[in-house]
Amino acid sequence: GESVGLHLPTLSVQEGDNSIINCAYSNSASDYFIWYKQESGKGPQFIIDIRSNMDKRQGQRVTVLLNKTVKHLSLQIAATQPGDSAVYFCAERPSYGKLTFGQGTILTVHP
Amino acid sequence: DADVTQTPRNRITKTGKRIMLECSQTKGHDRMYWYRQDPGLGLRLIYYSFDVKDINKGEISDGYSVSRQAQAKFSLSLESAIPNQTALYFCATSVGQGANEQFFGPGTRLTVL
Repeated sequence: GESVGLHLPTLSVQEGDNSIINCAYSNSASDYFIWYKQESGKGPQFIIDIRSNMDKRQGQRVTVLLNKTVKHLSLQIAATQPGDSAVYFCAERPSYGKLTFGQGTILTVHP
Repeated sequence: DADVTQTPRNRITKTGKRIMLECSQTKGHDRMYWYRQDPGLGLRLIYYSFDVKDINKGEISDGYSVSRQAQAKFSLSLESAIPNQTALYFCATSVGQGANEQFFGPGTRLTVL
């Protein structure tokens, strides 16, 4: 039978604004949390990761925040650019385990 | 990423046909993965291989099989394709144990009529 796709969360921002993409995770045993970016027609690309013993990690224009109390992960993108438009996936894994990907969030950046 | 290639990029087939999707990598990574992506869903792991002699089932392996012909090649087969296997398929590689960064190919869009 035909499968019905889910509607992904979406976020629309203006160029230059800061973006915050959120993710709720469920596995308390996860030791690593990762963000991937998938542009249209391409495979996912690693952005940044954070270990469970940290609550913040910064990269180039991106910051990942981890709140283990409420099992929440966020990705902040500073000065968002049109090239940041993509689907963003959070992923998690236990130590030496496999990645489990979340549903994804569509980010659209308007010039 | 040109270091991970997938063939074909698009394929339309009929129910009951056997299909093989191929993945090659020049990154020298020991670990390779096959994922499936459906509209509105994240990636789900079908099979993974840590080296040529190691094959492991993922969360949705039913209806699929794989072959690791060499360190650089990992093929996914659908023995008898069904419409529910219509999806976007990605191959990925990683290095070392517990790597967070996987390198994905461009994907194969498969349609089963």
